[in-house]
Amino acid sequence: GQNIDQPTEMTATEGAIVQINCTYQTSGFNGLFWYQQHAGEAPTFLSYNVLDGLEEKGRFSSFLSRSKGYSYLLLKELQMKDSASYLCAAVDSNYQLIWGAGTKLIIKP
Amino acid sequence: IAGITQAPTSQILAAGRRMTLRCTQDMRHNAMYWYRQDLGLGLRLIHYSNTAGTTGKGEVPDGYSVSRANTDDFPLTLASAVPSQTSVYFCASSDSGTASGANVLTFGAGSRLTVL
Repeated sequence: GQNIDQPTEMTATEGAIVQINCTYQTSGFNGLFWYQQHAGEAPTFLSYNVLDGLEEKGRFSSFLSRSKGYSYLLLKELQMKDSASYLCAAVDSNYQLIWGAGTKLIIKP
Repeated sequence: IAGITQAPTSQILAAGRRMTLRCTQDMRHNAMYWYRQDLGLGLRLIHYSNTAGTTGKGEVPDGYSVSRANTDDFPLTLASAVPSQTSVYFCASSDSGTASGANVLTFGAGSRLTVL
């Protein structure tokens, strides 16, 4: 079956760096998304990776290794507003999105 | 402000009642989607629409129906609500011609539905 695994919850300190991991098992692969979702709000797009490597976008970076079925989201210089859930979603061979349950990130002062 | 509007924001409903969740977008996106989000689970696709006049079934379509009479509106109907349909429902759209997981999704703010 198809599966996405990511940690349920993580805690980090304001100003620090945190890495949120995501492993996926899909029938075929056509890219991986990261979305951010603040409590009670809609998910919003953060990044899309289809090729191996690291893509940097300001304080956020996303990494993909297709051979390992692995991705991570790296958040630098953490701010209190980064407290949110981070959703990982892989695109399978039929271009369907397979969603992880999300990682709740708690930022402490 | 361009985006997706969902209504109602929240609703408590008796089991067996009919309910329609409304979704309207003003971005002229061709593809629209309905997801449900439950604690501990990933988003699950209920129904989708590639373009006005067409709809398709997602991962969990049973008990739900949709229509797409025009580009902007994509209502979701629960014909006879059951407690297992208690969830947060998100409408989304993408600007590609077809509903595809490789497209960036824009989500509405969600509708929290409780079925008693």
